[in-house]
Amino acid sequence: EAQVTQNPRYLITVTGKKLTVTCSQNMNHEYMSWYRQDPGLGLRQIYYSMNVEVTDKGDVPEGYKVSRKEKRNFPLILESPSPNQTSLYFCASTASYNEQFFGPGTRLTVL
Amino acid sequence: AQTVTQSQPEMSVQEAETVTLSCTYDTSESDYYLFWYKQPPSRQMILVIRQEAYKQQNATENRFSVNFQKAAKSFSLKISDSQLGDAAMYFCAVGTYKYIFGTGTRLKVLA
Repeated sequence: EAQVTQNPRYLITVTGKKLTVTCSQNMNHEYMSWYRQDPGLGLRQIYYSMNVEVTDKGDVPEGYKVSRKEKRNFPLILESPSPNQTSLYFCASTASYNEQFFGPGTRLTVL
Repeated sequence: AQTVTQSQPEMSVQEAETVTLSCTYDTSESDYYLFWYKQPPSRQMILVIRQEAYKQQNATENRFSVNFQKAAKSFSLKISDSQLGDAAMYFCAVGTYKYIFGTGTRLKVLA
């Protein structure tokens, strides 16, 4: 089954404690991206990756890092989380015809 | 910079009736794609319909159709024969690999 998986699905952490949210896709897509969703703001793109070892900033990259060492994985790293990064995070993988496949989301709370 | 505006935060429709959700956008790209996504309470992002900007013919998927006016930069979604399961947040998105989302319209379906 074609899918995008994210882990963990829920995470409560404290300010400053480094964390990683994993994202994996099994569709051999080259393009992947991360979004955050906040009430009243829709989805905003954090980072995207056109291919292995190629990443670029989206609209809200501050406080986040990503890596793309292999095509299927695109982890999101928060080196020093802060409460304003409390949000719902989505990973997405994009087919060649531009349809995005979204993961189930990760709800992050930073205390 | 690209912008996407959904001016209706919330709409209601009677079951079996028709409703239209509005979306306007601004982009400097000459070739792009437009999407409508549905987000039910489960938070999963579900693609409803997709339109290529270079195609004049409006996309249709069963009860869902769009009215794409490229010159006016308008991309509305029409839902016919509304069903209780259509109740959700609906997001309009525009772009080519780098996507901008609107802030969403919450659709309520009244029995």
